[in-house]
Amino acid sequence: GENVEQHPSTLSVQEGDSAVIKCTYSDSASNYFPWYKQELGKGPQLIIDIRSNVGEKKDQRIAVTLNKTAKHFSLHITETQPEDSAVYFCAPRGNTGFQKLVFGTGTRLLVSP
Amino acid sequence: GAGVSQSPSNKVTEKGKDVELRCDPISGHTALYWYRQRLGQGLEFLIYFQGNSAPDKSGLPSDRFSAERTGESVSTLTIQRTQQEDSAVYLCASSLAPTYEQYFGPGTRLTVT
Repeated sequence: GENVEQHPSTLSVQEGDSAVIKCTYSDSASNYFPWYKQELGKGPQLIIDIRSNVGEKKDQRIAVTLNKTAKHFSLHITETQPEDSAVYFCAPRGNTGFQKLVFGTGTRLLVSP
Repeated sequence: GAGVSQSPSNKVTEKGKDVELRCDPISGHTALYWYRQRLGQGLEFLIYFQGNSAPDKSGLPSDRFSAERTGESVSTLTIQRTQQEDSAVYLCASSLAPTYEQYFGPGTRLTVT
């Protein structure tokens, strides 16, 4: 089965700094790479995703980059704000069909004002 | 429209008692998933339902856990003879083709004393 790891487990930055979280996976069949944000007391919410036919995708202050050869993808947050503080999870999987998600171990991001 | 809802939001029970957790998926979503999240950890898959297919129960940790779904609507996760290690947040998600994106509810926090 899929083995998913995230680094770092915790990340503290100052407001305005950039943050990068890396997700490493084992299943070479994975071709859909989402990132979820989980705020306190809430369920995870999809914030950005990328498919294996592209190397990078941006959406305002967040971006995801993919290195399929090395089996890792990263979440980049620029100009961090206190409301970015949350736990972030990756959950790589196959592209099609209904599938259970295998989540990474999570990264707690703390953005200090 | 309305998102995924779960009830109760919090449940405290004594060891050995049975509990039922409820999930109302987004209307029209054919797939429904249950995950467990222990404190400070990632989400673990428990079970999922898709249409009229047999549910994928591969993540259920023991025979004390079971789940049912009525058609393509509400689902109930039942834990019999609860143990302290069952304490966790139980999250439900639903999805629909062709995106298969999973939308999560806020979860039920279960505490077994």
